[in-house]
Amino acid sequence: KAGVTQTPRYLIKTRGQQVTLSCSPISGHRSVSWYQQTPGQGLQFLFEYFSETQRNKGNFPGRFSGRQFSNSRSEMNVSTLELGDSALYLCASSLTDYGYTFGSGTRLTVV
Amino acid sequence: KNQVEQSPQSLIILEGKNCTLQCNYTVSPFSNLRWYKQDTGRGPVSLTIMTFSENTKSNGRYTATLDADTKQSSLHITASQLSDSASYICVVSPTNAGGTSYGKLTFGQGTILTVHP
Repeated sequence: KAGVTQTPRYLIKTRGQQVTLSCSPISGHRSVSWYQQTPGQGLQFLFEYFSETQRNKGNFPGRFSGRQFSNSRSEMNVSTLELGDSALYLCASSLTDYGYTFGSGTRLTVV
Repeated sequence: KNQVEQSPQSLIILEGKNCTLQCNYTVSPFSNLRWYKQDTGRGPVSLTIMTFSENTKSNGRYTATLDADTKQSSLHITASQLSDSASYICVVSPTNAGGTSYGKLTFGQGTILTVHP
């Protein structure tokens, strides 16, 4: 079966711009979680969506937001980009809390 | 302080040798502990998943152990291959009142393994 698909794979943006990342979960998975990975901080939880509702949120500023559609696809938006937002953004889909399958990520570079 | 600490930070071994990676955690309570392998620039791939009541889980040349009393886990890699070169991440799924982490996983910083021919 198809895995978790994230688009685009690479993105270069300028400070102050906004960006939208997309994540298509494994078919049948209704939970989608987003994570930021940087060399200094490692992997950090952003938020989780289930059936179009945000169930959990990490400690990130309001510039980071997300949403989930009725087909479980999710998008993450970052507004007013800062240099420190440069990171690998990963999403994971899960059927239960027992297993999280990650996508290949979107590499965002802010210049 | 990170609730999941991994050691060593990096490790270099020769192809064919065995190695053991360590994970100490303070997350409590938790529902399961996972080990993931992450190649550079790619997403993590699950190697093993253990509930808090399991002691060991194997996946081919990868064997994970869990000691809930000492709050330690280890990942043993047997007969290493060049393709094992990657970052290995220990991930704990804490439980809340709802009995699930709702995605809020706690990650270790990872051990970077390099296998030389």
